[in-house]
Amino acid sequence: DQQVKQNSPSLSVQEGRISILNCDYTNSMFDYFLWYKKYPAEGPTFLISISSIKDKNEDGRFTVFLNKSAKHLSLHIVPSQPGDSAVYFCAAFLGGSEKLVFGKGTKLTVNP
Amino acid sequence: DSGVTQTPKHLITATGQRVTLRCSPRSGDLSVYWYQQSLDQGLQFLIQYYNGEERAKGNILERFSAQQFPDLHSELNLSSLELGDSALYFCASSVAAISPEAFFGQGTRLTVV
Repeated sequence: DQQVKQNSPSLSVQEGRISILNCDYTNSMFDYFLWYKKYPAEGPTFLISISSIKDKNEDGRFTVFLNKSAKHLSLHIVPSQPGDSAVYFCAAFLGGSEKLVFGKGTKLTVNP
Repeated sequence: DSGVTQTPKHLITATGQRVTLRCSPRSGDLSVYWYQQSLDQGLQFLIQYYNGEERAKGNILERFSAQQFPDLHSELNLSSLELGDSALYFCASSVAAISPEAFFGQGTRLTVV
């Protein structure tokens, strides 16, 4: 039973345009959400996070939106750059369990 | 460079064998996490150690075990290996016992033949 789902395995956008990566979750008890970015042959690196008490968090070109009623979060990258090409993992944290639950990832390709 | 070091980077071994993966956390981090990423799968949490003690357990098989040593490095032992154990194994570390934000190593790619 996958608690965190990233239904798009891949996404391709043009440089300068917006990239929107989506993530759905099933457990309403998750209280913290994160996005990690992973380049080939490297480990995932933390990108941005959002607490369940907020609906938006912004960091430069990256914004994460949380819709708790829909159990949905999204990562917006504006403007997209070729260096953003990577696999993006959505993750959810359940404080009581102290475990991170990851989605399967979305491979983003930003074309010059 | 995340500061988390994993060795070896690649490992090829036969079914039925036993291997040990090693992880050195970032300087000052007390928590070490182990994750498995199989083909087309997300990262699956295996186990967490904090300051030498097991803190949280995920979907770790009984054939797998881990420990964290006094110098805080950790080892993941995989025994009676099966073809399905072929995966990327990541180690991550954080300062606190409860920390969703962790720093990941480059991973060890295990291939069981």
